[in-house]
Amino acid sequence: DAGITQSPRYKITETGRQVTLMCHQTWSHSYMFWYRQDLGHGLRLIYYSAAADITDKGEVPDGYVVSRSKTENFPLTLESATRSQTSVYFCASSDLDAANTGELFFGEGSRLTVL
Amino acid sequence: EDQVTQSPEALRLQEGESSSLNCSYTVSGLRGLFWYRQDPGKGPEFLFTLYSAGEEKEKERLKATLTKKESFLHITAPKPEDSATYLCAVRSVQGAQKLVFGQGTRLTINP
Repeated sequence: DAGITQSPRYKITETGRQVTLMCHQTWSHSYMFWYRQDLGHGLRLIYYSAAADITDKGEVPDGYVVSRSKTENFPLTLESATRSQTSVYFCASSDLDAANTGELFFGEGSRLTVL
Repeated sequence: EDQVTQSPEALRLQEGESSSLNCSYTVSGLRGLFWYRQDPGKGPEFLFTLYSAGEEKEKERLKATLTKKESFLHITAPKPEDSATYLCAVRSVQGAQKLVFGQGTRLTINP
């Protein structure tokens, strides 16, 4: 199906484990983003990518790693999960025109619980 | 540091009762102010972009306005399906493609 999909939608893990959240978009959008959403903080940007092999830090990048070897995929890895990384993670994408207008297309989110 | 503050945190209205949501911002050179709608368990959905003070945008029962310090989302004669969390975000001249979001206003419209 066309659009942006995230997997898994729900994940429970333990402190210290590595977790990878996947994001896939079918529009060939150049820009992709990872946000986390927490009560009291709203949406905060973790990392973003302007194109394949180009990534940059957002507001809260510590403890996260991203890669973008293909335009359509933008995985987010927590190398050693901590309880403070319990959150809902949203992936988003946009093309250059939409990025200039602020129109991001969001996935449905991945709810991660770190015990 | 760019900041966005939304008020109120939550608002409960009766169907047909018009009101406004506020978004106050501090940004070093505004390159755009954006409104999104978020339904429970879903990702945010884009509504409007405003670029300069005095600008207005409308969509159905929603109208967004912008001043130099704040934006309002006016909701006229709302219906229960307008219930959602409304998010405001800004982008600064130095911010590249980064959007800074407020915490949102959770709007409930009772039938």
